[in-house]
Amino acid sequence: GENVEQHPSTLSVQEGDSAVIKCTYSDSASNYFPWYKQELGKRPQLIIDIRSNVGEKKDQRIAVTLNKTAKHFSLHITETQPEDSAVYFCAANNYGGSQGNLIFGKGTKLSVKP
Amino acid sequence: KAGVTQTPRYLIKTRGQQVTLSCSPISGHRSVSWYQQTPGQGLQFLFEYFSETQRNKGNFPGRFSGRQFSNSRSEMNVSTLELGDSALYLCASSLGGLAEETQYFGPGTRLLVL
Repeated sequence: GENVEQHPSTLSVQEGDSAVIKCTYSDSASNYFPWYKQELGKRPQLIIDIRSNVGEKKDQRIAVTLNKTAKHFSLHITETQPEDSAVYFCAANNYGGSQGNLIFGKGTKLSVKP
Repeated sequence: KAGVTQTPRYLIKTRGQQVTLSCSPISGHRSVSWYQQTPGQGLQFLFEYFSETQRNKGNFPGRFSGRQFSNSRSEMNVSTLELGDSALYLCASSLGGLAEETQYFGPGTRLLVL
């Protein structure tokens, strides 16, 4: 089955700097890679996702890149703000026909210092 | 549209008891997945239901079970509770449960086993 590794586990940046979180996956059949943001005491919220037919996707200050050959994908946050502080999870779908479950990385706790 | 809802939000039980958690998906969504979130293990997939059928199951003991009703609402049950079952239980819904679909999470039920 699919396995997702996420690094780093904690990341501290100054406001305005960029933050990069990296994930690797094991199953070459996986074709959907979402990123979720979870603030303390709240539900995970989808912030961006990418499907395997594209290499990069951008939404304002957030971008995700995917390298299918190397089986890794990354989240890039530019011009970080204190409200970006949260735990970020990457995930890959456990592809098996129509089965829709996600395998998550262990999470990255991002702290943005003002 | 209303988001995914879960009840109850908090539960305190003692070892050996059983518990039932409820999840109402976004209107029109037919797939419901359940995840267990703990500080040590992160987000782990429990099972997924689509059209009242369990299609996929994670690596959890048989004490964890679930079901889905004709209106797509889902329940999960944990019997003979153990201390290690203390966790945040999240459900997520998607439209058709396809492997590439976005999953939307509910707020979770926080279970404490004493």
